[in-house]
Amino acid sequence: DVKVTQSSRYLVKRTGEKVFLECVQDMDHENMFWYRQDPGLGLRLIYFSYDVKMKEKGDIPEGYSVSREKKERFSLILESASTNQTSMYLCASSVPPGQENTEAFFGQGTRLTVV
Amino acid sequence: AQTVTQSQPEMSVQEAETVTLSCTYDTSESDYYLFWYKQPPSRQMILVIRQEAYKQQNATENRFSVNFQKAAKSFSLKISDSQLGDAAMYFCARKGGNTPLVFGKGTRLSVIA
Repeated sequence: DVKVTQSSRYLVKRTGEKVFLECVQDMDHENMFWYRQDPGLGLRLIYFSYDVKMKEKGDIPEGYSVSREKKERFSLILESASTNQTSMYLCASSVPPGQENTEAFFGQGTRLTVV
Repeated sequence: AQTVTQSQPEMSVQEAETVTLSCTYDTSESDYYLFWYKQPPSRQMILVIRQEAYKQQNATENRFSVNFQKAAKSFSLKISDSQLGDAAMYFCARKGGNTPLVFGKGTRLSVIA
């Protein structure tokens, strides 16, 4: 069974803390993504990666960075957490376009609260 | 920016009835994919149905079918014989040649017993 696993389901952090959200996939997918989900705004892309050591900014990268040292792992980093980063974070992975089943597979989400 | 628009923030349907969720999109690409995802209260995003833009035939998965109008850039989801378990947020999404998924803002579907 296809699996994308996010390290935490719920997380509470203090303002100014450095926060790491981890995501691991076991499908040998090249592509990995981090989205943020807020009510009324849908899912917005933060960062994505099409290969190890590679990263691209999405639509809302400010205040975030990412790391992809291994193919199966894609980490989202909040350098200095702020209350406006309180949100649901979703990780996803997929094969490159042109291959079968090019849809994204999602983790279960991390609900982050910054206090 | 290439966008996906879901014009219905909330919808409701009686159990066993049919409901259609609307989606329009903007793209300059000729080759792309369209998806409907379901997000129940568990928060797990589940793929409902996919459509390749080059295919004329509308995709169907059991009680779920789409009406894909390429010229109008419209991709609606029809749910037949609605069940209580269909209650969820539904997201329409588009993926280009080598671009990530772009999502609409979602439609919350309630199913009334």
